Amino acid sequence: DTAVSQTPKYLVTQMGNDKSIKCEQNLGHDTMYWYKQDSKKFLKIMFSYNNKELIINETVPNRFSPKSPDKAHLNLHINSLELGDSAVYFCASSLQRTGGNTEAFFGQGTRLTVV
Amino acid sequence: QKEVEQDPGPLSVPEGAIVSLNCTYSNSAFQYFMWYRQYSRKGPELLMYTYSSGNKEDGRFTAQVDKSSKYISLFIRDSQPSDSATYLCAMSAWGNDMRFGAGTRLTVKP
Repeated sequence: DTAVSQTPKYLVTQMGNDKSIKCEQNLGHDTMYWYKQDSKKFLKIMFSYNNKELIINETVPNRFSPKSPDKAHLNLHINSLELGDSAVYFCASSLQRTGGNTEAFFGQGTRLTVV
Repeated sequence: QKEVEQDPGPLSVPEGAIVSLNCTYSNSAFQYFMWYRQYSRKGPELLMYTYSSGNKEDGRFTAQVDKSSKYISLFIRDSQPSDSATYLCAMSAWGNDMRFGAGTRLTVKP
């Protein structure tokens, strides 16, 4: 039973298109994230949601818009795709715990290629 | 200067060697320190977690944190080919705001 699942696993699209990546977790976690991993493996946080509320919004272009319909889902919509958006996008989830760290569980990643 | 610095390698060692992986950081507010392992085309998975300064051991893995030097390490004893992966350090200030290093790609040769 997959804990954090993302779809699609691979996405190839043309510049200028709009695309969405979906993420679902069945762990009962409160917090979900989107991370971007570039070709050099650098993993950078983009957004974090806690119980459907945005709590981290790093400096990303406003072409990227996260949407959390409920606390088990966090989707990422990208408008007007650019070549530089090509990367692997990881969804993750964790329990929210004030003052204490909890393990983040990652999905398998969505490899986005913009041509 | 990046918040978290990690030498991306690659690092290649023979089977059975002791591996030392390191990260430095600049944000003194970080108090949770983690090491994630990422196999090719997979998501990262938590390997070790340490709160504040000190050492933590789990089997062949030992994590060390020196907050005074803003320096963390992961040691792998008796390294195995199955340890070949990218190792990412991560740290956070209040629990959920993890910041990752660039990852070190490790290959253990039989």
